[in-house]
Amino acid sequence: EVQLVESGGGLVQPGGSLRLSCGASGFIFSYYWMHWVRQVPGEGLVWVSRINLNGSSTDYADSVKGRFTISRDNAKNTLYLQMDSLRAEDTGVYFCARVADGYTYDHWGQGTQVTVSS
Amino acid sequence: DIVMTQSPDSLAVSLGERATINCKSSQSILYNSNNKNYLAWYQHKPGQPPKLLISWASTRESGVPDRFSGSGSGTDFTLTITSLQAEDVAFYYCQQYYDVLRTFGQGTKVEIK
Repeated sequence: EVQLVESGGGLVQPGGSLRLSCGASGFIFSYYWMHWVRQVPGEGLVWVSRINLNGSSTDYADSVKGRFTISRDNAKNTLYLQMDSLRAEDTGVYFCARVADGYTYDHWGQGTQVTVSS
Repeated sequence: DIVMTQSPDSLAVSLGERATINCKSSQSILYNSNNKNYLAWYQHKPGQPPKLLISWASTRESGVPDRFSGSGSGTDFTLTITSLQAEDVAFYYCQQYYDVLRTFGQGTKVEIK
């Protein structure tokens, strides 16, 4: 059974950092592109970032470019999102998602809550 | 970035009636070389991860009830739920995957009238 489990969320002050993890099981992790998507109160789902199979190619939404870094460790079957210089508007539930066919998300984690507040 | 705009923001429909959600992209998401529209629809219930309903604008995913259907091309798309059921109460999002920078619509909340 495919499972994605996020962790690492929490309460952090503006300007602080967090590192999210997404542990994968039930499939060959290195065969799939992975994305991060966040659910923002009042905004809905917002795409954050994506990474290719071996981590050599990454892309980011304009709102997080230069502050967030996506990475993966295929030996550990784990996806990461390093979030620096956090702002209040980064508050939300962060989901990792597996890309099924190069395009759509066929599996998602349950999400981890990130709250940026003083 | 491609902006996706959904309408309405929310709608209340009686059980057994039809719900229609529209999604408009700021530029065409029809790829001419393969004649495919790079659009998906997701259902999101509180406390659960989103679920893929429709890909390529009109291809229903395996296991998705046939009361869900997608249509449209180019810049204008529609998700239709015929005969709304109680379990269909959720937020619905369109998403384009034409561009590297994926974007979602703002979401539509579907409730029972």
